[in-house]
Amino acid sequence: GQNIDQPTEMTATEGAIVQINCTYQTSGFNGLFWYQQHAGEAPTFLSYNVLDGLEEKGRFSSFLSRSKGYSYLLLKELQMKDSASYLCAVLDSNYQLIWGAGTKLIIKP
Amino acid sequence: TAGITQAPTSQILAAGRSMTLRCTQDMRHNAMYWYRQDLGLGLRLIHYSNTAGTTGKGEVPDGYSVSRANTDDFPLTLASAVPSQTSVYFCASRPLAGEADTQYFGPGTRLTVL
Repeated sequence: GQNIDQPTEMTATEGAIVQINCTYQTSGFNGLFWYQQHAGEAPTFLSYNVLDGLEEKGRFSSFLSRSKGYSYLLLKELQMKDSASYLCAVLDSNYQLIWGAGTKLIIKP
Repeated sequence: TAGITQAPTSQILAAGRSMTLRCTQDMRHNAMYWYRQDLGLGLRLIHYSNTAGTTGKGEVPDGYSVSRANTDDFPLTLASAVPSQTSVYFCASRPLAGEADTQYFGPGTRLTVL
């Protein structure tokens, strides 16, 4: 079956760095997405990885290892507005997105 | 640009009643999707449409139907609502079905079935 695992909840301090992990087992792989979702709002796109390695975009970076079925999202210089859920999703062989349950990130002052 | 709009924003519905959730996009995207999001679960695909005139079943299609008469609109119908259909429903779209483009989401419809 298809499975995507990520921690349910994480807590971090304003100004610090946090890494949110995602492991996956899917039928085929056409890339991995990270989305941010604030409470009561729609998911919004953060990053896309299809090749191994690190993609950096401002304070956010995303890493992929296809051989390990593993990705992480790295958030630096955390701000209170980063409090949200972070969703990991894999594009399978049919180009359909398979979603993890999301990681709720709580930022404390 | 409006992007994707959904209506209504929220609704309370009596069990056994029917309802249509509306979704409209103005980006001329070919592919459209309906998801439900429940606490503790990931987004689950209900139905999808790769292009106007075609639809397909997702992971949890039972109790729902869709149509895609044109590029812009993708309504989701609950023929006879049940309490387990209480959820937040998101419509999404992306330019092409067979490409690795990001999906763009509407603001969601919060549905409560009593």
